[in-house]
Amino acid sequence: DAKTTQPPSMDCAEGRAANLPCNHSTISGNEYVYWYRQIHSQGPQYIIHGLKNNETNEMASLIITEDRKSSTLILPHATLRDTAVYYCILPTQGGSEKLVFGKGMKLTVNP
Amino acid sequence: NAGVTQTPKFQVLKTGQSMTLQCAQDMNHEYMSWYRQDPGMGLRLIHYSVGAGITDQGEVPNGYNVSRSTTEDFPLRLLSAAPSQTSVYFCASTRRQGNTEAFFGQGTRLTVV
Repeated sequence: DAKTTQPPSMDCAEGRAANLPCNHSTISGNEYVYWYRQIHSQGPQYIIHGLKNNETNEMASLIITEDRKSSTLILPHATLRDTAVYYCILPTQGGSEKLVFGKGMKLTVNP
Repeated sequence: NAGVTQTPKFQVLKTGQSMTLQCAQDMNHEYMSWYRQDPGMGLRLIHYSVGAGITDQGEVPNGYNVSRSTTEDFPLRLLSAAPSQTSVYFCASTRRQGNTEAFFGQGTRLTVV
Protein backbone atom coordinates (compact mmCIF):
# COMPACT_ATOMS: atom_id res chain seq x y z
CA ASP A 1 0.00 0.00 0.00
CA ALA A 2 1.12 3.51 -0.80
CA LYS A 3 2.04 5.38 2.36
CA THR A 4 1.13 8.77 1.02
CA THR A 5 -2.13 10.59 0.36
CA GLN A 6 -2.62 13.13 -2.40
CA PRO A 7 -5.73 14.88 -3.73
CA PRO A 8 -6.81 13.34 -7.02
CA SER A 9 -6.52 16.50 -9.07
CA MET A 10 -5.68 20.18 -9.07
CA ASP A 11 -5.83 23.03 -11.55
CA CYS A 12 -3.37 25.88 -11.86
CA ALA A 13 -3.14 28.92 -14.10
CA GLU A 14 -0.16 29.18 -16.39
CA GLY A 15 2.57 31.34 -14.91
CA ARG A 16 1.31 30.95 -11.36
CA ALA A 17 2.90 28.83 -8.66
CA ALA A 18 1.51 25.32 -8.31
CA ASN A 19 1.53 23.96 -4.77
CA LEU A 20 1.02 20.20 -4.70
CA PRO A 21 0.31 18.73 -1.24
CA CYS A 22 1.14 15.28 0.07
CA ASN A 23 0.28 13.71 3.39
CA HIS A 24 2.61 11.08 4.83
CA SER A 25 1.61 10.94 8.47
CA THR A 26 3.17 7.50 9.07
CA ILE A 27 6.60 8.46 7.76
CA SER A 28 9.51 7.03 9.74
CA GLY A 29 12.58 8.94 10.81
CA ASN A 30 14.86 7.85 7.99
CA GLU A 31 12.38 7.84 5.11
CA TYR A 32 12.93 10.33 2.34
CA VAL A 33 10.08 11.95 0.44
CA TYR A 34 10.39 11.64 -3.34
CA TRP A 35 8.39 13.32 -6.08
CA TYR A 36 8.04 12.00 -9.61
CA ARG A 37 5.79 13.06 -12.44
CA GLN A 38 4.41 11.31 -15.48
CA ILE A 39 3.56 13.33 -18.54
CA HIS A 40 0.94 11.77 -20.79
CA SER A 41 1.86 8.10 -20.22
CA GLN A 42 5.59 8.65 -20.71
CA GLY A 43 7.97 7.05 -18.25
CA PRO A 44 7.93 8.70 -14.81
CA GLN A 45 10.43 11.50 -14.35
CA TYR A 46 12.22 12.23 -11.09
CA ILE A 47 11.66 15.74 -9.75
CA ILE A 48 13.13 16.13 -6.27
CA HIS A 49 13.54 14.44 -2.91
CA GLY A 50 14.23 15.44 0.68
CA LEU A 51 14.46 14.22 4.26
CA LYS A 52 13.62 17.12 6.54
CA ASN A 53 15.15 20.26 5.13
CA ASN A 54 13.58 22.20 2.33
CA GLU A 55 15.09 21.39 -1.03
CA THR A 56 15.24 23.26 -4.31
CA ASN A 57 16.50 22.34 -7.75
CA GLU A 58 16.01 23.62 -11.26
CA MET A 59 12.60 21.99 -11.52
CA ALA A 60 10.90 22.60 -8.20
CA SER A 61 11.05 23.24 -4.47
CA LEU A 62 10.10 20.77 -1.77
CA ILE A 63 8.81 22.00 1.57
CA ILE A 64 8.60 19.41 4.34
CA THR A 65 6.81 20.27 7.58
CA GLU A 66 8.78 20.18 10.78
CA ASP A 67 6.97 17.07 12.00
CA ARG A 68 7.55 15.51 8.53
CA LYS A 69 3.95 14.38 8.30
CA SER A 70 3.30 16.33 5.12
CA SER A 71 5.09 18.06 2.30
CA THR A 72 4.40 20.43 -0.58
CA LEU A 73 5.94 20.38 -4.02
CA ILE A 74 6.13 23.84 -5.51
CA LEU A 75 6.42 24.55 -9.20
CA PRO A 76 7.19 28.25 -9.07
CA HIS A 77 5.97 29.27 -12.52
CA ALA A 78 3.78 26.53 -13.94
CA THR A 79 3.72 26.06 -17.71
CA LEU A 80 1.43 24.01 -19.92
CA ARG A 81 4.19 21.40 -20.11
CA ASP A 82 3.87 20.83 -16.37
CA THR A 83 0.46 19.22 -16.90
CA ALA A 84 1.07 15.69 -15.62
CA VAL A 85 0.32 13.18 -12.90
CA TYR A 86 2.49 13.86 -9.86
CA TYR A 87 3.46 11.10 -7.46
CA CYS A 88 4.64 11.58 -3.89
CA ILE A 89 6.53 8.44 -2.80
CA LEU A 90 8.37 7.12 0.25
CA PRO A 91 10.82 4.47 -1.05
CA THR A 92 10.99 1.41 1.16
CA GLN A 93 14.19 1.48 3.21
CA GLY A 94 15.56 4.21 1.00
CA GLY A 95 15.70 1.97 -2.05
CA SER A 96 14.42 3.26 -5.37
CA GLU A 97 14.45 -0.21 -6.93
CA LYS A 98 10.99 -1.05 -5.61
CA LEU A 99 8.86 2.06 -5.61
CA VAL A 100 5.21 1.96 -4.60
CA PHE A 101 3.13 4.28 -6.75
CA GLY A 102 -0.33 5.35 -5.68
CA LYS A 103 -2.70 6.96 -8.15
CA GLY A 104 -0.92 10.30 -7.83
CA MET A 105 -2.42 13.71 -8.45
CA LYS A 106 -3.33 15.08 -11.86
CA LEU A 107 -2.15 18.66 -12.24
CA THR A 108 -3.71 20.56 -15.10
CA VAL A 109 -2.12 23.86 -16.01
CA ASN A 110 -4.59 26.07 -17.83
CA PRO A 111 -3.69 28.89 -20.23
CA ASN B 1 24.16 8.37 -22.28
CA ALA B 2 20.97 6.94 -23.72
CA GLY B 3 19.66 6.20 -20.23
CA VAL B 4 17.09 3.40 -20.06
CA THR B 5 16.06 1.96 -23.42
CA GLN B 6 13.05 -0.28 -23.87
CA THR B 7 12.13 -2.25 -26.96
CA PRO B 8 9.73 -2.64 -28.60
CA LYS B 9 7.60 0.46 -28.05
CA PHE B 10 4.42 -1.29 -29.15
CA GLN B 11 3.47 -4.96 -29.42
CA VAL B 12 0.33 -6.94 -30.13
CA LEU B 13 0.26 -10.57 -29.07
CA LYS B 14 -2.27 -13.33 -29.38
CA THR B 15 -3.34 -15.15 -26.24
CA GLY B 16 -0.85 -17.90 -25.47
CA GLN B 17 2.06 -16.41 -27.36
CA SER B 18 5.32 -15.70 -25.64
CA MET B 19 7.61 -12.73 -25.95
CA THR B 20 10.41 -10.86 -24.26
CA LEU B 21 10.38 -7.17 -23.46
CA GLN B 22 13.89 -5.77 -23.59
CA CYS B 23 15.39 -3.24 -21.22
CA ALA B 24 18.94 -1.89 -21.31
CA GLN B 25 20.68 0.85 -19.37
CA ASP B 26 24.06 2.44 -19.95
CA MET B 27 24.50 4.18 -16.61
CA ASN B 28 26.14 1.23 -14.83
CA HIS B 29 23.28 1.08 -12.36
CA GLU B 30 23.19 -1.94 -10.09
CA TYR B 31 19.42 -1.96 -9.57
CA MET B 32 16.81 -2.51 -12.26
CA SER B 33 13.04 -2.96 -12.04
CA TRP B 34 9.97 -3.71 -14.12
CA TYR B 35 6.58 -2.09 -13.57
CA ARG B 36 3.24 -2.32 -15.28
CA GLN B 37 0.67 0.42 -15.50
CA ASP B 38 -2.98 -0.20 -16.21
CA PRO B 39 -5.34 2.59 -17.31
CA GLY B 40 -5.96 5.18 -14.60
CA MET B 41 -3.64 3.46 -12.17
CA GLY B 42 -0.20 4.04 -10.76
CA LEU B 43 2.71 1.78 -11.61
CA ARG B 44 2.94 -1.64 -9.94
CA LEU B 45 6.19 -3.49 -9.41
CA ILE B 46 6.54 -6.83 -11.23
CA HIS B 47 10.14 -7.91 -10.59
CA TYR B 48 13.33 -6.23 -9.61
CA SER B 49 17.06 -6.99 -9.49
CA VAL B 50 19.77 -5.69 -7.20
CA GLY B 51 22.61 -6.99 -9.36
CA ALA B 52 23.64 -9.50 -11.99
CA GLY B 53 22.31 -12.92 -11.07
CA ILE B 54 19.95 -11.61 -8.40
CA THR B 55 16.23 -11.09 -8.94
CA ASP B 56 13.20 -10.87 -6.71
CA GLN B 57 9.44 -10.62 -7.01
CA GLY B 58 7.44 -7.47 -6.68
CA GLU B 59 3.74 -6.92 -6.15
CA VAL B 60 2.44 -8.58 -9.34
CA PRO B 61 4.96 -11.23 -10.51
CA ASN B 62 2.61 -13.95 -11.76
CA GLY B 63 2.91 -14.67 -15.46
CA TYR B 64 6.30 -13.01 -15.81
CA ASN B 65 9.88 -14.24 -15.64
CA VAL B 66 13.09 -12.25 -15.42
CA SER B 67 16.81 -12.87 -15.41
CA ARG B 68 19.80 -10.59 -15.00
CA SER B 69 22.89 -11.98 -16.67
CA THR B 70 24.58 -8.60 -17.14
CA THR B 71 24.48 -5.26 -15.35
CA GLU B 72 23.15 -3.56 -18.46
CA ASP B 73 20.20 -5.77 -19.42
CA PHE B 74 17.05 -6.88 -17.62
CA PRO B 75 14.60 -8.64 -19.97
CA LEU B 76 11.02 -9.42 -18.97
CA ARG B 77 9.49 -12.62 -20.37
CA LEU B 78 5.85 -13.40 -20.85
CA LEU B 79 5.67 -17.17 -21.23
CA SER B 80 2.01 -17.44 -22.24
CA ALA B 81 0.37 -14.08 -22.78
CA ALA B 82 -3.11 -13.43 -21.41
CA PRO B 83 -5.48 -10.52 -22.06
CA SER B 84 -5.00 -9.49 -18.41
CA GLN B 85 -1.40 -8.68 -19.28
CA THR B 86 -2.48 -5.92 -21.63
CA SER B 87 -0.74 -2.93 -20.10
CA VAL B 88 2.08 -0.44 -20.44
CA TYR B 89 5.36 -1.77 -19.13
CA PHE B 90 8.10 0.42 -17.73
CA CYS B 91 11.65 -0.49 -16.91
CA ALA B 92 13.70 1.52 -14.42
CA SER B 93 17.24 1.60 -13.09
CA THR B 94 18.90 3.19 -10.09
CA ARG B 95 22.23 3.22 -8.34
CA ARG B 96 22.88 0.94 -5.38
CA GLN B 97 23.52 3.77 -2.98
CA GLY B 98 20.45 4.72 -1.00
CA ASN B 99 18.42 7.86 -1.53
CA THR B 100 18.98 8.14 -5.26
CA GLU B 101 16.41 8.56 -7.95
CA ALA B 102 15.14 5.98 -10.41
CA PHE B 103 15.43 6.51 -14.16
CA PHE B 104 12.61 5.15 -16.30
CA GLY B 105 12.38 4.04 -19.88
CA GLN B 106 9.66 5.30 -22.19
CA GLY B 107 7.58 2.18 -21.90
CA THR B 108 6.30 -0.71 -23.99
CA ARG B 109 2.60 -0.71 -24.79
CA LEU B 110 1.47 -4.34 -24.96
CA THR B 111 -1.92 -5.52 -26.17
CA VAL B 112 -2.91 -9.17 -25.84
CA VAL B 113 -5.91 -10.20 -27.97
